[in-house]
Amino acid sequence: DVKVTQSSRYLVKRTGEKVFLECVQDMDHENMFWYRQDPGLGLRLIYFSYDVKMKEKGDIPEGYSVSREKKERFSLILESASTNQTSMYLCASSLWDKDSYEQYFGPGTRLTVT
Amino acid sequence: SQQGEEDPQALSIQEGENATMNCSYKTSINNLQWYRQNSGRGLVHLILIRSNEREKHSGRLRVTLDTSKKSSSLLITASRAADTASYFCATAYGNNRLAFGKGNQVVVIP
Repeated sequence: DVKVTQSSRYLVKRTGEKVFLECVQDMDHENMFWYRQDPGLGLRLIYFSYDVKMKEKGDIPEGYSVSREKKERFSLILESASTNQTSMYLCASSLWDKDSYEQYFGPGTRLTVT
Repeated sequence: SQQGEEDPQALSIQEGENATMNCSYKTSINNLQWYRQNSGRGLVHLILIRSNEREKHSGRLRVTLDTSKKSSSLLITASRAADTASYFCATAYGNNRLAFGKGNQVVVIP
């Protein structure tokens, strides 16, 4: 089974702190994604990576950066956390597959910025 | 980006009843997928239907796709309390990306 793990289930940070969210997948997937999920807004793509050191902006990249130094690991960085970044963060991975695009998700990190 | 839009947003049913939820999208697609999310957890892939398919079954799930109307429906038959979850449709676009709808909340009352 594909396993996607995220470093924390719950995280509380203060405004202005630098926050790192880590995601690891064990199935050698090329693609990795970071989403945030907010009530009434569904899932919104923050960043996407299709290979090591490669990244593309999603729909809401402002205030975030990412790092992918190894194929299995994709990190989301909040350079200076703000209260409007309080949200559920979901990581996902998928094969590079023109016919499927099926994504496998981690359990999520609920981040609260106070 | 494409967006799936589910309808209705919330559904409450008795155990054993069927649950139906709909999804519409705006542009042409390669495939449409449905995912389930249990409370506070990640999403789990349920079923994928390709653009050249009209109906697909998987256990108690039945998905239909009408590309002329740009819509899909997910039917869960003989619902169970464990089916209580949010259900999202997602359409594929671009470089292996998915656009997710806002989700349907389904509550199955034992």
